[in-house]
Amino acid sequence: DQQVKQNSPSLSVQEGRISILNCDYTNSMFDYFLWYKKYPAEGPTFLISISSIKDKNEDGRFTVFLNKSAKHLSLHIVPSQPGDSAVYFCAAARGSNYKLTFGKGTLLTVNP
Amino acid sequence: EPEVTQTPSHQVTQMGQEVILRCVPISNHLYFYWYRQILGQKVEFLVSFYNNEISEKSEIFDDQFSVERPDGSNFTLKIRSTKLEDSAMYFCASSEQGLVSNQPQHFGDGTRLSIL
Repeated sequence: DQQVKQNSPSLSVQEGRISILNCDYTNSMFDYFLWYKKYPAEGPTFLISISSIKDKNEDGRFTVFLNKSAKHLSLHIVPSQPGDSAVYFCAAARGSNYKLTFGKGTLLTVNP
Repeated sequence: EPEVTQTPSHQVTQMGQEVILRCVPISNHLYFYWYRQILGQKVEFLVSFYNNEISEKSEIFDDQFSVERPDGSNFTLKIRSTKLEDSAMYFCASSEQGLVSNQPQHFGDGTRLSIL
């Protein structure tokens, strides 16, 4: 099942710089997208979401961009902090459904 | 902040045995879910549950699996006869409303199930 792809298994950035995490999807029926963050030994924690009728949603240091024509979304974290170091999952859904389809995740490491 | 709690954190079971994984969703939430993550793979949806009924299930959720809300606070996943390939991290989640577009799902910390 490759409907949601996160092609970078890991990303390393310096504290204070921008982190950009990418996600691609293939199912054009998806109309709602979410980012979750996961620390070791914990469950995924909801970060931010975006509906397909928007191209940008911002919440504090986190901004999600959606490019529907490219079937691509990205999560920007500015400025990055060491506490942001975690695995970030992109998830997609049809708004009328219950289930989330996840990507494999990207491990973000923010170096002090 | 209210959270979803799962017990036990680690369950070791012999192949062929029945196992029950337990979850206490957030108290005012009405929709409940199970997901699993096999080591090195994606988090996969198993089932969603509302009003004492399954509302959606994946092809993974076959006759060996069942869910129940035995009382007002617990939500359980039962695997009737476990197989080696059932070894995974199982996550319970809940949401106040059902549609993904209305409410994000909140996840517990998971139960690691190891089948020997």
